Amino acid sequence: DAKTTQPTSMDCAEGRAANLPCNHSTISGNEYVYWYRQIHSQGPQYIIHGLKNNETNEMASLIITEDRKSSTLILPHATLRDTAVYYCIVRFLYNTDKLIFGTGTRLQVFP
Amino acid sequence: EAEVAQSPRYKITEKSQAVAFWCDPISGHATLYWYRQILGQGPELLVQFQDESVVDDSQLPKDRFSAERLKGVDSTLKIQPAELGDSAMYLCASSPGTSGLLSYEQYFGPGTRLTVT
Repeated sequence: DAKTTQPTSMDCAEGRAANLPCNHSTISGNEYVYWYRQIHSQGPQYIIHGLKNNETNEMASLIITEDRKSSTLILPHATLRDTAVYYCIVRFLYNTDKLIFGTGTRLQVFP
Repeated sequence: EAEVAQSPRYKITEKSQAVAFWCDPISGHATLYWYRQILGQGPELLVQFQDESVVDDSQLPKDRFSAERLKGVDSTLKIQPAELGDSAMYLCASSPGTSGLLSYEQYFGPGTRLTVT
């Protein structure tokens, strides 16, 4: 599976948009970009995934560059409850579906 | 909304003792995973089941760890004997499994935090 690179930590003011970047320069054509988050002392929670088109759901938006080498997760109006570790995962859908987590980005939302 | 259940939530045990964790996946989910998460790191897969069969246990330390999913529903992960380095969060996840070229997202339980003293 392709590896991803994320900043170790980020801060965001409550009510502002949080933009979390992820680099996945070795992604292959049939690999998807997934985002999970893990709030302290809880299990990871699925947020969103995409292949090449931008995606939006009730939690977030996912913007994938045209060359698919990077993506950005956008939380449009961050709240204190969004403080968590966010994992960007590139997932190969054939043969195995295990998730390979990196160290993620620790997002701190402040009042 | 259906959730993955795990018990216990917290476990403290002495080294060389046996310990077991239980997971009940979301009803109907064919695939079940056990991950281990060391503090400050992301979760790592220990074992994956498809129904009652083991699909991937390449990272399971088989000299001390065992996992079973006898009826293809709930699952137990056991450690015997526990070592200090086993202190971690043990997470269970389930998914509907694979269908053609698509693979469904995984739903995680709250985890069991193990402390070995």
